[in-house]
Amino acid sequence: GAGVSQTPSNKVTEKGKYVELRCDPISGHTALYWYRQSLGQGPEFLIYFQGTGAADDSGLPNDRFFAVRPEGSVSTLKIQRTERGDSAVYLCASSGGGQETQYFGPGTRLLVL
Amino acid sequence: AQKITQTQPGMFVQEKEAVTLDCTYDTSDPSYGLFWYKQPSSGEMIFLIYQGSYDQQNATEGRYSLNFQKARKSANLVISASQLGDSAMYFCAMRERGNFNKFYFGSGTKLNVKP
Repeated sequence: GAGVSQTPSNKVTEKGKYVELRCDPISGHTALYWYRQSLGQGPEFLIYFQGTGAADDSGLPNDRFFAVRPEGSVSTLKIQRTERGDSAVYLCASSGGGQETQYFGPGTRLLVL
Repeated sequence: AQKITQTQPGMFVQEKEAVTLDCTYDTSDPSYGLFWYKQPSSGEMIFLIYQGSYDQQNATEGRYSLNFQKARKSANLVISASQLGDSAMYFCAMRERGNFNKFYFGSGTKLNVKP
């Protein structure tokens, strides 16, 4: 498909465990964003990549959260020592080609028990 | 202060009627963009319409139009001839030229279209 893909679609883990969430952006899009969406809220910015580098990580809530994009395409959001408050939908979006808007993936629903 | 405010948590509209979803924004940047997204129950955010701060005319995309009132910092979404498939959450968002990396989203409006 031509859209943004995210895996897994759902992830259930236990408090204290480590999780990785993957995002595959639209081919050729240089900009990649991660958002967190809690129930009943709008998406909240976490981090932005331009190419391989994290151009803006000011939205990461604490040092348990980390994201990489080593080859400028696929990105992985990593959460260490998960807490119940991390339960949310994690959305990835990409943009590029001079377009103003960003295009979202279907999200990963993370549940920390 | 909230960058984006959506004051209608939920709205009902009769099928085939028009509906307006409110959005106000707060910025001191003279250059910015305003966006509306639809999020069905499946969860994916779908881009609907974009308005640039310097655009002279209101944006339109099919049944969607954006009522842009710059002096009032208002960017309401108008959906004409509502369809049952329009039932979803709708989010208003903004991006500032001086902080181009970030999109700020409102808390959303849940639209229910009644048959």
